[in-house]
Amino acid sequence: GQQLNQSPQSMFIQEGEDVSMNCTSSSIFNTWLWYKQDPGEGPVLLIALYKAGELTSNGRLTAQFGITRKDSFLNISASIPSDVGIYFCAGRATSGTYKYIFGTGTRLKVLA
Amino acid sequence: DSGVTQTPKHLITATGQRVTLRCSPRSGDLSVYWYQQSLDQGLQFLIHYYNGEERAKGNILERFSAQQFPDLHSELNLSSLELGDSALYFCASSDRDSATDTQYFGPGTRLTVL
Repeated sequence: GQQLNQSPQSMFIQEGEDVSMNCTSSSIFNTWLWYKQDPGEGPVLLIALYKAGELTSNGRLTAQFGITRKDSFLNISASIPSDVGIYFCAGRATSGTYKYIFGTGTRLKVLA
Repeated sequence: DSGVTQTPKHLITATGQRVTLRCSPRSGDLSVYWYQQSLDQGLQFLIHYYNGEERAKGNILERFSAQQFPDLHSELNLSSLELGDSALYFCASSDRDSATDTQYFGPGTRLTVL
């Protein structure tokens, strides 16, 4: 099925470090969502973005809707061990469909 | 807790069998989406229902079907199961069928086909 390109695929970081990940698409999107998924659990919505250039924060998380509308970025500041998990982006195109396309995920591991 | 419930949490069955997965959306949500997540894979969209009507189909196999009932709960039926159908199945719900809608996921049903 169709998926977004999400990078990096995985990353190990030290506790306290900042983390950046991104999602890119060949299509223009009108909505970007960022989710975190813990093992065996459902994805939990972190941030929703609806306008190009929009910058939205949720605690230590900040996400941006790229100006080109083909990408989005998620930053985590001062990472802590509980940030471990898989982060997914999801985008919805402007074609009128209400179907979200999901990224392949970034697996984050935090070393204490 | 997202407010979306799914049952059962785990399901183990044999090849060739048929199973039904159930989803109750958040209170007030009219849209239900079904996704499949295989091991170490992203979420693959299967199907979307809005207020009882099918709205969009993704890569859903002909052996799979779904419906949304008047009380807005939804069921995903998987038949003639194969080993490759083993996966996590998630449903998500949203309150509107619009461009600014966001989706909230349930805890998932883990299906194991032996």
